[in-house]
Amino acid sequence: DQQVKQNSPSLSVQEGRISILNCDYTNSMFDYFLWYKKYPAEGPTFLISISSIKDKNEDGRFTVFLNKSAKHLSLHIVPSQPGDSAVYFCAASALEYGNKLVFGAGTILRVKS
Amino acid sequence: NAGVMQNPRHLVRRRGQEARLRCSPMKGHSHVYWYRQLPEEGLKFMVYLQKENIIDESGMPKERFSAEFPKEGPSILRIQQVVRGDSAAYFCASSPRGGPYNEQFFGPGTRLTVL
Repeated sequence: DQQVKQNSPSLSVQEGRISILNCDYTNSMFDYFLWYKKYPAEGPTFLISISSIKDKNEDGRFTVFLNKSAKHLSLHIVPSQPGDSAVYFCAASALEYGNKLVFGAGTILRVKS
Repeated sequence: NAGVMQNPRHLVRRRGQEARLRCSPMKGHSHVYWYRQLPEEGLKFMVYLQKENIIDESGMPKERFSAEFPKEGPSILRIQQVVRGDSAAYFCASSPRGGPYNEQFFGPGTRLTVL
């Protein structure tokens, strides 16, 4: 039962261009969303989050957009840098589900220099 | 300010043995979570603990798996009589507060290989 889906297994982007990573969810109870970045052999690192009362949150080069009606969120990275190459996980939580995060399967981002 | 620490980083066990994975949360964090990542998949929630209490174990397999977070010392995830299907990366996370609207800080993980 995949409640959080990242349908693109991988994405390749040229350095300096925009990276757009997408995430869809099926459970309308989710009201808090997070993006994590993960390098090989390391744990996930928190990047940015957004509450369902907002449709956009920005932090430096990272912006997350939330479209509740479409149950879709996206992470924009601009400009993309080679160090951004990693696996990006979308995660969701809901008050009804307590403290657990529900993760997507991840998208591998490769930024080419 | 040390982050979440997990040990061992790599653990090899033969089928039928026991695996013990340890997690020390960030300083000041009293909420600990365990997740498992199978190859090519995302992280799956297993259990949420506070000091001396299991709050939510809805993601834990019913048999062979147990977790604790004692008053003193690290949180322990214990897997008895391991099978090949237990091979995975096990991640621990911690947070300073409970509730679903807080980021969780992850450790580097323990990679369990069952031969």
